[in-house]
Amino acid sequence: AQSVTQLDSQVPVFEEAPVELRCNYSSSVSVYLFWYVQYPNQGLQLLLKYLSGSTLVKGINGFEAEFNKSQTSFHLRKPSVHISDTAEYFCAVSGFPSGGYNKLIFGAGTRLAVHP
Amino acid sequence: NAGVMQNPRHLVRRRGQEARLRCSPMKGHSHVYWYRQLPEEGLKFMVYLQKENIIDESGMPKERFSAEFPKEGPSILRIQQVVRGDSAAYFCASSVQTGSTGGNTIYFGEGSWL
Repeated sequence: AQSVTQLDSQVPVFEEAPVELRCNYSSSVSVYLFWYVQYPNQGLQLLLKYLSGSTLVKGINGFEAEFNKSQTSFHLRKPSVHISDTAEYFCAVSGFPSGGYNKLIFGAGTRLAVHP
Repeated sequence: NAGVMQNPRHLVRRRGQEARLRCSPMKGHSHVYWYRQLPEEGLKFMVYLQKENIIDESGMPKERFSAEFPKEGPSILRIQQVVRGDSAAYFCASSVQTGSTGGNTIYFGEGSWL
């Protein structure tokens, strides 16, 4: 079984400042890792995912994340945030071999609030 | 190419009534997932379906909840005799057929708020 812990429930930050949203996971098998963003009253949009290969993954909207197997972490970063990045961010994990489907296990979410 | 379509977006039911939530996956997608998001919480897996088959329902409550994905038409999540605790956002997601190791992107709809 897998579990995900997002270490910060809320992260306030000023516009143009850098931000890091932390995510740790636990799993008894190998995993795929994902970050999703949810804007108010909307569904989830995939920011980026790690399947294999380079541990630094680049996604949409200038976000990137680094997979650290020894620390079981997958922290999300952006060097300079915008007001429009204000949203809820979810880290998710899926174990594999998976029987051919992704059963995503989500963290509780981190609310990013960007202030002018 | 339309995304995952869910309806209704908002549904109000009195205690004891039935709720039916519908989901049309993205074109070409044969896998459907349902997730529930309680207030101030992350999404919890409920069920995974392929056409006419329930593959994994390990997250479904034992009573009052059911899901189907018929050969024709949308997937339906059905909640019988609703109670206050069923109030949540219900998200449908879909993906293409995957290999044995999974990893394909799952696309989410905009949710149905009950």
